[in-house]
Amino acid sequence: DTGVSQDPRHKITKRGQNVTFRCDPISEHNRLYWYRQTLGQGPEFLTYFQNEAQLEKSRLLSDRFSAERPKGSFSTLEIQRTEQGDSAMYLCASSLVHMESNTEAFFGQGTRLTVV
Amino acid sequence: GQSLEQPSEVTAVEGAIVQINCTYQTSGFYGLSWYQQHDGGAPTFLSYNALDGLEETGRFSSFLSRSDSYGYLLLQELQMKDSASYFCALQTDSWGKLQFGAGTQVVVTP
Repeated sequence: DTGVSQDPRHKITKRGQNVTFRCDPISEHNRLYWYRQTLGQGPEFLTYFQNEAQLEKSRLLSDRFSAERPKGSFSTLEIQRTEQGDSAMYLCASSLVHMESNTEAFFGQGTRLTVV
Repeated sequence: GQSLEQPSEVTAVEGAIVQINCTYQTSGFYGLSWYQQHDGGAPTFLSYNALDGLEETGRFSSFLSRSDSYGYLLLQELQMKDSASYFCALQTDSWGKLQFGAGTQVVVTP
């Protein structure tokens, strides 16, 4: 396994269109996270999963954002009716967590979304 | 709420030592992590402090003082490849959710 992979790496879409991103985590990892990063800022938490269960969705996210992790493997992040403010790098990360120990997160290269 | 503050940029020469400070305000957290991100790259984990004190990993060390709401990342024997952005991040729950600072860009010059 070569790490967390995300597809596509780049996406340009027109305002109002729907987009879907895919994340394939490291295979044995039970936690999967989505973050969003804009230029000059740190990653911002969007949502995360323990296996197939979605644990929390950021209150900053509108209802246009939805994420799934069917069967606890890959995950998809969908943005409906995209707006220019959605332009950002969308990062996926995974981790293998034991109890409350260090949660080293392994990040993918991200999907850069540009809404025009 | 929670917030983290770190300097926006630090410049140093090869071979030098750089300390990146991170101050935070939070009602509770599990630990403080540090991540490195090169331009166009993925954030990569460097270090984690759950308890007060110093953690050393090769040329990088991280420190946490919960009583002072303060931590730092120490980069020793700077190399050109260390030019990157460095983020401190609070682990805010037992599930691994991270809250990141805005990042410190480290520029290493010859």
